[in-house]
Amino acid sequence: DIQMTQSPSSLSASVGDRVTITCRASQTVRGYLNWYQQKPGKAPKLLIHAASSLQSGVPSRFSGRGSGTDFTLIISTLQPEDFATYYCQQSYSTPTFGQGTKVEIK
Amino acid sequence: QVQLVQSGAEVKKPGASVKVSCKASGYTFTNYHMHWVRQAPGQGLEWMGMIDPSGDDTNYAQKFQGRVTMTKDTSTGTVYMDLGSLRSEDTAVYFCARDRGYGVLPPAIANLFDYWGQGTLVTVSS
Repeated sequence: DIQMTQSPSSLSASVGDRVTITCRASQTVRGYLNWYQQKPGKAPKLLIHAASSLQSGVPSRFSGRGSGTDFTLIISTLQPEDFATYYCQQSYSTPTFGQGTKVEIK
Repeated sequence: QVQLVQSGAEVKKPGASVKVSCKASGYTFTNYHMHWVRQAPGQGLEWMGMIDPSGDDTNYAQKFQGRVTMTKDTSTGTVYMDLGSLRSEDTAVYFCARDRGYGVLPPAIANLFDYWGQGTLVTVSS
């Protein structure tokens, strides 16, 4: 299976900050990379699919980029409701997830 | 609107089996594959497998081969996940998640998940 590694595992940020989360695949996943947001006690929510396509209804402050093995999720201006854990997931082969990045309030 | 409603929490003893249901509504049930993903307490997400509600096709993660069975009831729009030979490490929240699909109806499988159930906590304890 393809291993997905996210960095950092956690970060502290303030409302209004720009936040960047990185995801690296153990082998190429081409553009088949997706991002989810999960809040405590809730199911994950799809934010971005195919590396850079915003899922319907997701605010435009979320964006994604990358291809091959290296990908980035960017939150341009962090809002109070964005404090959560973020997961990347590859859909190139048998689905696998990164270990998650927890975004906490500074 | 699309909704996935799962069955309630379960407590099982080691060696037993558990069957979790996921009732879909708000879309054509047979058009979209359904996946199961689990999350152990404080841990990340783990894909278990998927079922094609339009037929009998299933695909299970190698880790669960021989222990998991996914089935569906087209008449009620419900999918089921049956996990056997439970051990303490199976204690987790189990989610059903609809495949987003790509292309025209019926969409091709995309292996990414656009709608999720609320989760079902399965506790395995003696």
